[in-house]
Amino acid sequence: QVQLDQWGTGLLKPSETLTLTCGVKGDSLPGYWWNWSRQSPGKGLEWIGEINERGSATYNPSLKSRVTMSVDTSKNQFSLKLTSVTAADTAVYYCAKASYLWGTYRGFDPWGQGTLVTVSS
Amino acid sequence: EILLTQSPDTLSLSPGERATLSCRASQSVGTSLTWYQQKPGQPPRLLIAAASSRASGVPARFSGSGSETDFTLTISSLEPEDFAVYYCQQRTSWPPSLTFGGGTKVEIK
Repeated sequence: QVQLDQWGTGLLKPSETLTLTCGVKGDSLPGYWWNWSRQSPGKGLEWIGEINERGSATYNPSLKSRVTMSVDTSKNQFSLKLTSVTAADTAVYYCAKASYLWGTYRGFDPWGQGTLVTVSS
Repeated sequence: EILLTQSPDTLSLSPGERATLSCRASQSVGTSLTWYQQKPGQPPRLLIAAASSRASGVPARFSGSGSETDFTLTISSLEPEDFAVYYCQQRTSWPPSLTFGGGTKVEIK
């Protein structure tokens, strides 16, 4: 059974850099796209971006200038960096695995447990 | 950006009743539409992929339908554990795009 465990700094000051990592257990990185999304308190979900095992990444245009994703295949994990954070970046951040079957997108499954990141001075 | 509009915002129903949730896309997404269920304090759970394909372990009372711009998630007979928030999501390959709907809360009447 695939399990995603995520960790990172939960409290940041404005202008700092958010860094989160997601470790993959029970599966390997090749063959899938590894995603980050976030959910602001009491609000809906926002996709941040995705990356594959070769390091090829696609980002949400609204966040692209501040986002960098990376992979470490030796540790079977992938990471998110978001620079110059503000209070608007306060949210629960989730990692998730995206799969395709015969070219058809099959959704995010599973998801990590979520990490609450608070930006406050 | 493709926008997804879910309706209604809230659905108040009793256990045993049928729930019908709508998701409308601002432009065609083919059948690249996914449904998730989310309960408080938990990550979303995959229910339906490719508009109508139930994910592994999802009960048969959940079904999805639709294509292009109009999609529906139906819960045929609500169980107590089905009261939650439901989100739709679209994924298009070119240009690369992924967005979520605003969610529909199914609450106990």
